Amino acid sequence: EQLLESGGGLVQPGGSLRLSCEASGFSESNFAMAWVRQGPGKGLEWVSSISSSGANTYYADSVKGRFTVSGDYAGRSIYLQMNNLRTEDTAVYFCAKGLYTRGHFDSWGQGILVTVSS
Amino acid sequence: EIVLTQSPATLSLSPGERATLSCRASQSLNGFLAWYQQKPGQAPRLLIYDTSNRATDIPARFIGSGSWTDFTLTITSLEPEDFAIYYCQQRYSWPPTFGPGTTVDV
Repeated sequence: EQLLESGGGLVQPGGSLRLSCEASGFSESNFAMAWVRQGPGKGLEWVSSISSSGANTYYADSVKGRFTVSGDYAGRSIYLQMNNLRTEDTAVYFCAKGLYTRGHFDSWGQGILVTVSS
Repeated sequence: EIVLTQSPATLSLSPGERATLSCRASQSLNGFLAWYQQKPGQAPRLLIYDTSNRATDIPARFIGSGSWTDFTLTITSLEPEDFAIYYCQQRYSWPPTFGPGTTVDV
């Protein structure tokens, strides 16, 4: 059972980045997924969630209008398109899964670093 | 949004001792509270969900309790691998929120 993130890196303020998360080895056929981030030396902050069907998406106010979550459930992958990035978006981004869209997170990826800096 | 407050910020204990961590919510959660453990450089790990249910493979020394707005994570006898940061998280309403964390150190 594994969640594997990719796509992080260094980007200038105002730039864009797309994160990917691939799920593999899970026995459940349906599960919701989410992105949770952790700024340097800080706590956990929920960013976005997507329902198992992909029909429903949710965003933190801090990213609404700039970030878009989508899913490719044939391949069990989700994506986070991040536009108009700000320095305060610098964080490790974790992909996580759960039974419910508005739920706890029972599996996590190892995280990927996004650095927004000029 | 529901605000979660954790206390104490830091808990200094020794292996074998009992740890009691608190999480208080700004409104009732109907029991929808989870606890996570995070070690440096690692992803969080789910310990407890919906107040008192242990996640898969979590040892019995981790006990969750509470109701309404006040919740507790008890580690009955600390093992060396339990020294970490612990976060609570509510799923009662959008957005899901996390507490600021309690560090359990030696």
